[in-house]
Amino acid sequence: NAGVTQTPKFQVLKTGQSMTLQCAQDMNHEYMSWYRQDPGMGLRLIHYSVGAGITDQGEVPNGYNVSRSTTEDFPLRLLSAAPSQTSVYFCASRVGGREQFFGPGTRLTVL
Amino acid sequence: GNSVTQMEGPVTLSEEAFLTINCTYTATGYPSLFWYVQYPGEGLQLLLKATKADDKGSNKGFEATYRKETTSFHLEKGSVQVSDSAVYFCALSDIYNFNKFYFGSGTKLNVKP
Repeated sequence: NAGVTQTPKFQVLKTGQSMTLQCAQDMNHEYMSWYRQDPGMGLRLIHYSVGAGITDQGEVPNGYNVSRSTTEDFPLRLLSAAPSQTSVYFCASRVGGREQFFGPGTRLTVL
Repeated sequence: GNSVTQMEGPVTLSEEAFLTINCTYTATGYPSLFWYVQYPGEGLQLLLKATKADDKGSNKGFEATYRKETTSFHLEKGSVQVSDSAVYFCALSDIYNFNKFYFGSGTKLNVKP
């Protein structure tokens, strides 16, 4: 199993550009989440999904959209990037009440 | 609301020293508590967890005890190694929605040979 994979690893955007961060897992996990990691603030939950077709907001959802059309994929979309969205983004998945598995992260810089 | 507070780092220790990283939390009820570790350039990995008061989580020589009286979950290890150098995060999950995790700001540990 590849576990949780994220692409790209690094990305630089200009203010106002849009992009999608990809996340995929091959463990048949029902729950998936997106976090952002900022210096001195730990990880903060952006959006999460409890299964295909079901998503909900986390702590910091503004400026981000998600969808879950399949169990495997959970993309995160930035419609109009802002410098405040410069961060490291982590995707995670789990099954039931068990351990979360994290991807390797995407480092995003918005100029 | 829910929140997690960790001691600020970095923490620098010599190999074989004793480690304590303090973690306290604020939450409704009795949440599950976790310690995650992040090695350079990688995602987070679960180190240990405790799901109810007085539980002790342990893994790879690390231990933490769920103390409801002091709302704490301090991480300890009796003898650290250079390979333990990483960032450690304390976290809790909301008792009403297990999908909602709250993380502390992380504590960087540097272990010198």
